[in-house]
Amino acid sequence: DQQVKQNSPSLSVQEGRISILNCDYTNSMFDYFLWYKKYPAEGPTFLISISSIKDKNEDGRFTVFLNKSAKHLSLHIVPSQPGDSAVYFCAASAWNAGNMLTFGGGTRLMVKP
Amino acid sequence: KAGVTQTPRYLIKTRGQQVTLSCSPISGHRSVSWYQQTPGQGLQFLFEYFSETQRNKGNFPGRFSGRQFSNSRSEMNVSTLELGDSALYLCASSLKPGQGGGYQETQYFGPGTRLLVL
Repeated sequence: DQQVKQNSPSLSVQEGRISILNCDYTNSMFDYFLWYKKYPAEGPTFLISISSIKDKNEDGRFTVFLNKSAKHLSLHIVPSQPGDSAVYFCAASAWNAGNMLTFGGGTRLMVKP
Repeated sequence: KAGVTQTPRYLIKTRGQQVTLSCSPISGHRSVSWYQQTPGQGLQFLFEYFSETQRNKGNFPGRFSGRQFSNSRSEMNVSTLELGDSALYLCASSLKPGQGGGYQETQYFGPGTRLLVL
């Protein structure tokens, strides 16, 4: 069973607008969440993370929101830029699982100029 | 600072063979994790090593094994290769293992080794 789900395989956004990527999880043991960006032929690049004790974390154009009661998190990119076009993965870790990350299936973001 | 390096970058093997992949973590990083990425299953955790000890293992058969050396470099081995083992194998390093409690060490990924099994 998929413990981390990204229900939108792709998203297309106009340059300058907001991109919102969503992620749902089912495992209540998850207490730390991360977003990674991946370009073809490269490994995932860490973007931003959030602890379960927070509901929001910002870093420049990127903001992650966590709704624990809904087991839902989202990544907001404002403003979106063509260079943001990539596959975005949501990942989660459990308090007792060391560095083990459980990934969602990814969302391909395309930012059109 | 140099990033995570993985060798080789590409590999072609035939069914039944075995393969060894190598990962050099970022200097100073002592924790190494391995992941498999396939179109069907996505990114899946294989195992995690710290101080030459396996700390966690994902849900993979015993054909998948790994080890870590005293300099934190890591290798993973897949024996008796199957067609379904064709994948991108990613290595990630961090300073230390995650401690839980709502905090996780950032893991930095290498470019991966793309394995094709024929």
